[in-house]
Amino acid sequence: NAGVMQNPRHLVRRRGQEARLRCSPMKGHSHVYWYRQLPEEGLKFMVYLQKENIIDESGMPKERFSAEFPKEGPSILRIQQVVRGDSAAYFCASSPRRLAGGNEQFFGPGTRLTVL
Amino acid sequence: QQQVKQSPQSLIVQKGGISIINCAYENTAFDYFPWYQQFPGKGPALLIAIRPDVSEKKEGRFTISFNKSAKQFSLHIMDSQPGDSATYFCAASHDQTGANNLFFGTGTRLTVIP
Repeated sequence: NAGVMQNPRHLVRRRGQEARLRCSPMKGHSHVYWYRQLPEEGLKFMVYLQKENIIDESGMPKERFSAEFPKEGPSILRIQQVVRGDSAAYFCASSPRRLAGGNEQFFGPGTRLTVL
Repeated sequence: QQQVKQSPQSLIVQKGGISIINCAYENTAFDYFPWYQQFPGKGPALLIAIRPDVSEKKEGRFTISFNKSAKQFSLHIMDSQPGDSATYFCAASHDQTGANNLFFGTGTRLTVIP
């Protein structure tokens, strides 16, 4: 059973370009979370999605960032007009159908975005 | 603001010793407390987790101690090994409006010296 897949693993963009990060959840998982990790810091929640629905985007910056999880295909985190401050590791996690009282999240290997 | 506070920032332990990492939280709605282990260049991997209805959970060399009244929980690694050298994150989540996003501590970089 393959784990959470993320690609690309490394992404280099120049300021002003767009970055697209992809996440394929574990088989059977319908919940996807995106987190951002700045150097030497913990992970910060960005957005929580189910198939075709954004459930919670309270951690997403108001501008330039968007996320989707279509009926078919991977979840995509999109960053438009990237700036140097967007340089970070972006992790995707997936979980099975939610159980009451918390759920186990499985993390992918991350995409390391570098903005030049 | 940081919802989960973690200490120490870094920890050096001799092989065979006990590693102890502490976390504290404020939100009493939190009801799930996992610990994650992260190696350089990798994603976090779940080590062990606890819910507030128990005060301790043990899995192999890893133990979580949970103090609900103090709103604190800690990870103990017994017989620490060089292979345990990694960054450890505590986290917390709560069941609210269907969201279960994790709030992470800032991490503890553990080095186990042979």
